Amino acid sequence: DAMVIQNPRYQVTQFGKPVTLSCSQTLNHNVMYWYQQKSSQAPKLLFHYYDKDFNNEADTPDNFQSRRPNTSFCFLDIRSPGLGDAAMYLCATSRDIGRKGETQYFGPGTRLLVL
Amino acid sequence: AQSVTQPDIHITVSEGASLELRCNYSYGATPYLFWYVQSPGQGLQLLLKYFSGDTLVQGIKGFEAEFKRSQSSFNLRKPSVHWSDAAEYFCAVGANTGFQKLVFGTGTRLLVSP
Repeated sequence: DAMVIQNPRYQVTQFGKPVTLSCSQTLNHNVMYWYQQKSSQAPKLLFHYYDKDFNNEADTPDNFQSRRPNTSFCFLDIRSPGLGDAAMYLCATSRDIGRKGETQYFGPGTRLLVL
Repeated sequence: AQSVTQPDIHITVSEGASLELRCNYSYGATPYLFWYVQSPGQGLQLLLKYFSGDTLVQGIKGFEAEFKRSQSSFNLRKPSVHWSDAAEYFCAVGANTGFQKLVFGTGTRLLVSP
């Protein structure tokens, strides 16, 4: 089945220690998104890639970076995690941008714990 | 800018009873509207979406939603709830021009009692 895969499902890191979360997709979609979801809150978009074009949300901290080496993979890098960065990180994909009713397909998420 | 309000943080429904989850949106034009479900520790799964046409939309797992422009609402309904429906439900609105950023509501947690 075509899908969105996130690894690892759970990640523990230390305060200030860089961490990378991984997302891959077999849907061959052009767009990949990263969301942050804190406990009991709505998912919040951090940034997205349209093909190789990176688009950062205005309020995404500089501490968060992303890489997309090819169509299938996208990485979220947190350069110096703080306690406030503990959250579920969701990766999503969509076929395109701006098409009517374009659906985003979500992965299972990676839960990040910062000690 | 678009926004979504889900006024109910928690709802408890008896198994077999009907369900309605409320969603109100704010957007200047005709929005794209979505309902997603999130089981504990899982990602979001699309239940249904509306972008034009018939205002009553059918989705997966027996869910439906009705778009009411006059009330700026997109409420989710199910006639008979199953224990497996217990989850968090998110309503989301997308702009219909340019980059279709999704803005999510804060979610409603559904509990199903025996």
